[in-house]
Amino acid sequence: QKEVEQNSGPLSVPEGAIASLNCTYSDRGSQSFFWYRQYSGKSPELIMSIYSNGDKEDGRFTAQLNKASQYVSLLIRDSQPSDSATYLCAGKDNNNDMRFGAGTRLTVKP
Amino acid sequence: DAMVIQNPRYQVTQFGKPVTLSCSQTLNHNVMYWYQQKSSQAPKLLFHYYDKDFNNEADTPDNFQSRRPNTSFCFLDIRSPGLGDAAMYLCATSLTKNYEQYFGPGTRLTVT
Repeated sequence: QKEVEQNSGPLSVPEGAIASLNCTYSDRGSQSFFWYRQYSGKSPELIMSIYSNGDKEDGRFTAQLNKASQYVSLLIRDSQPSDSATYLCAGKDNNNDMRFGAGTRLTVKP
Repeated sequence: DAMVIQNPRYQVTQFGKPVTLSCSQTLNHNVMYWYQQKSSQAPKLLFHYYDKDFNNEADTPDNFQSRRPNTSFCFLDIRSPGLGDAAMYLCATSLTKNYEQYFGPGTRLTVT
């Protein structure tokens, strides 16, 4: 079974701090990775996609991919209470089938 | 605005009573997906359509069926809902299979 693993948390950070969310995957054939934000009772919302090794920045968000270590991370700078949500990591394998992790719950405390 | 729409947002059905959930999209995407998500779990892919080609996940129960009458609409039919089928059902679309997926708001299904 191809797995995407995340620490379920909860991860708690103070407002203004950097939140670091991590994800590992077992399928070396996975090529593209995505981070989704999911507020309680709502559907997932795409916030970042990353396809190449290295960092990709978009506003306060930075996604990092290391294919050799099979590791994906999401950094949220200047965390705000509105960032409190569950963050889902997902990866696509060679068949373009998307596999989701169970998510990390983030709480940003004012 | 281009979007993915799901109806109804909340559905209550009785044990064993068939139910249909609908999804429509104005994105003109080729691929439509149905996921089941239970509390604190990852979304679980049930099946997807690439245009008219239907692809069923190996572990999707036979109780779940899908129809895609045209590019814009896709339906999820649950023939005989059990208590274990209570979940959030998410529809997603992507331009092609190697592009990112965009989700609708979901339908929360309760089985009594």
